[in-house]
Amino acid sequence: QVQLQESGPGLVKPSGTLSLTCVVSGGSISSSNWWSWVRQPPGKGLEWIGEVYHTGSTNYNPSLRSRVTILVDKSQNQFSLKMSSVTAADTAVFYCARNSCSGGSCYFFDYWGQGTLITVSS
Amino acid sequence: EFVLTQSPATLSLSPGERATLSCKATQSINNYLAWYQQKPGQAPRLLIYDASNRATGIPARFSGSGSGTDFTLTISSLEPEDFAVYYCQQRSNWPPPLTFGGGTKVEIK
Repeated sequence: QVQLQESGPGLVKPSGTLSLTCVVSGGSISSSNWWSWVRQPPGKGLEWIGEVYHTGSTNYNPSLRSRVTILVDKSQNQFSLKMSSVTAADTAVFYCARNSCSGGSCYFFDYWGQGTLITVSS
Repeated sequence: EFVLTQSPATLSLSPGERATLSCKATQSINNYLAWYQQKPGQAPRLLIYDASNRATGIPARFSGSGSGTDFTLTISSLEPEDFAVYYCQQRSNWPPPLTFGGGTKVEIK
């Protein structure tokens, strides 16, 4: 059973950089899956941030691309998210998730972390 | 920009009733559409992928249908645990590559 666990600071100051890590257990990050970050502002819907493959290839949401970096660490079986120049609008629950594949398209999220609330405030 | 539009925003029904949720895409997609259920304080749970395939462990009362730009999630007879928010999600060749709909809340009438 694959499990994902996010970790992060909880509170980030405006204009700072948010850093999160997602540890994968029960499976290898080098499997034929992509690994994604998804966020959800309080009381709102889900927004996909970006994804990484174990080779280091990435795709990002164009609306966030200029501020986001997603990296993979195969030795630790984990991947990470960095988001720069954060504002109060970036306050959200951040989830990491595994993209599974069908017909050559890796798009649906079959495993999710429990989520971690990140608050941007001074 | 690619957009998924879900309707209605809220569906008020009683246990035992049938729920029909809609998801419309701005451009045609190759049935790479998934549905999720989310309860308060929990991560989303995958229900349906490829528009109509139930994920592992999902009860048969959940079914998905549709193709092209119009998709539907049907809950044949609502159980008390089914009252939640439902999201559709897809992958497309248009930016952004992965998109969620805005959600439909199924609430107890």
